[in-house]
Amino acid sequence: DTGVSQNPRHKITKRGQNVTFRCDPISEHNRLYWYRQTLGQGPEFLTYFQNEAQLEKSRLLSDRFSAERPKGSFSTLEIQRTEQGDSAMYLCARGTSGRPGELFFGEGSRLTVL
Amino acid sequence: QQQVKQSPQSLIVQKGGISIINCAYENTAFDYFPWYQQFPGKGPALLIAIRPDVSEKKEGRFTISFNKSAKQFSLHIMDSQPGDSATYFCAAERNQGGKLIFGQGTELSVKP
Repeated sequence: DTGVSQNPRHKITKRGQNVTFRCDPISEHNRLYWYRQTLGQGPEFLTYFQNEAQLEKSRLLSDRFSAERPKGSFSTLEIQRTEQGDSAMYLCARGTSGRPGELFFGEGSRLTVL
Repeated sequence: QQQVKQSPQSLIVQKGGISIINCAYENTAFDYFPWYQQFPGKGPALLIAIRPDVSEKKEGRFTISFNKSAKQFSLHIMDSQPGDSATYFCAAERNQGGKLIFGQGTELSVKP
């Protein structure tokens, strides 16, 4: 158990619809990260939060993507007007207090856009 | 310059053998090099990590060898077991920010 819970685990949607994923770390860790992983590839960094502040966003995060972390606890990742190219596994990870380079990933939310 | 190149793409090893996966990087600012293990349907799990001030780190059957001058690092799995069959990713980052750059992954299959 990595202490990161993600929901839903699977989401199938039609192109153009909006989807939202939620990440719940086991406790209020300072740093929370979102990565995206497509089939056969390594995870790619999307964004991260230090408490409730979003400190960095990848160029992969187009204006259709928005992430929030209200109150520095759980986080949500919303994708608006989904496209087939958004189909991927969306991974959330928590940092480790005092060792921020070590990440613990959740099991991910798999998105399929038809 | 931000890429991490990993090889081989797939690897088949007999039980008890040594599995070796290699990675190369370009950005000399990287200062943390972890390896992650991922089973199907699961998120990546941190396996072992090294910083560039040491040339080798060993944890059980897993060893990282690091060559700073060549900008290469590798994972050795000794006495490979069928339970080690998974996809392995090397990664790199700088300044301990958690913004990892992952390699493309190596699918390891250990045959009984």
